[in-house]
Amino acid sequence: GAVVSQHPSWVICKSGTSVKIECRSLDFQATTMFWYRQFPKQSLMLMATSNEGSKATYEQGVEKDKFLINHASLTLSTLTVTSAHPEDSSFYICSLEGGAGTEAFFGQGTRLTVV
Amino acid sequence: SQELEQSPQSLIVQEGKNLTINCTSSKTLYGLYWYKQKYGEGLIFLMMLQKGGEEKSHEKITAKLDEKKQQSSLHITASQPSHAGIYLCGAGTRGGGSQGNLIFGKGTKLSVKP
Repeated sequence: GAVVSQHPSWVICKSGTSVKIECRSLDFQATTMFWYRQFPKQSLMLMATSNEGSKATYEQGVEKDKFLINHASLTLSTLTVTSAHPEDSSFYICSLEGGAGTEAFFGQGTRLTVV
Repeated sequence: SQELEQSPQSLIVQEGKNLTINCTSSKTLYGLYWYKQKYGEGLIFLMMLQKGGEEKSHEKITAKLDEKKQQSSLHITASQPSHAGIYLCGAGTRGGGSQGNLIFGKGTKLSVKP
């Protein structure tokens, strides 16, 4: 099955700075990747769908100018949290689709803490 | 919009006991997925169910999907401390194929007391 590598696994940043999170597919070409966010004691919520070579599709309520997604190649999608604030502190995790009839593959997740 | 309700929210069991976690959907499920998550870590895939009435087992974990494809249960037999974690059910939002775009329940936190 596909292996998804997410980096970094955790990051602490100062309020107002930007943070980039990388999601790599190690053995699978992914035209589509997905970014989720999970607040404490809450469910994973889809933020956006990352499309290789085109603009990402954002879920309702997710600011596209704040959460910049770049999917420049078939193996890499990046999520940049711009001008981070403490309320952006969360667990961010990416995924990609496996083949037909298979499960989605998830990265290890990134715990972001904005201080 | 489709929602997944998981119950119970948390569960503490004695080692060796059996337990069941439920996942109920407001709409027909296009694929039901069970994952296990440890706090702050990625998701470990457990099982995928797609057909009404389907049942799958792996080691001591059995998952079922009801005939109407709106409810699933995850049953653990003779629980062990290694089973502790957060169990999430996820569902596809469209029919057919692999589902990368999933909705999730809020999870069930399982603790197993030795």
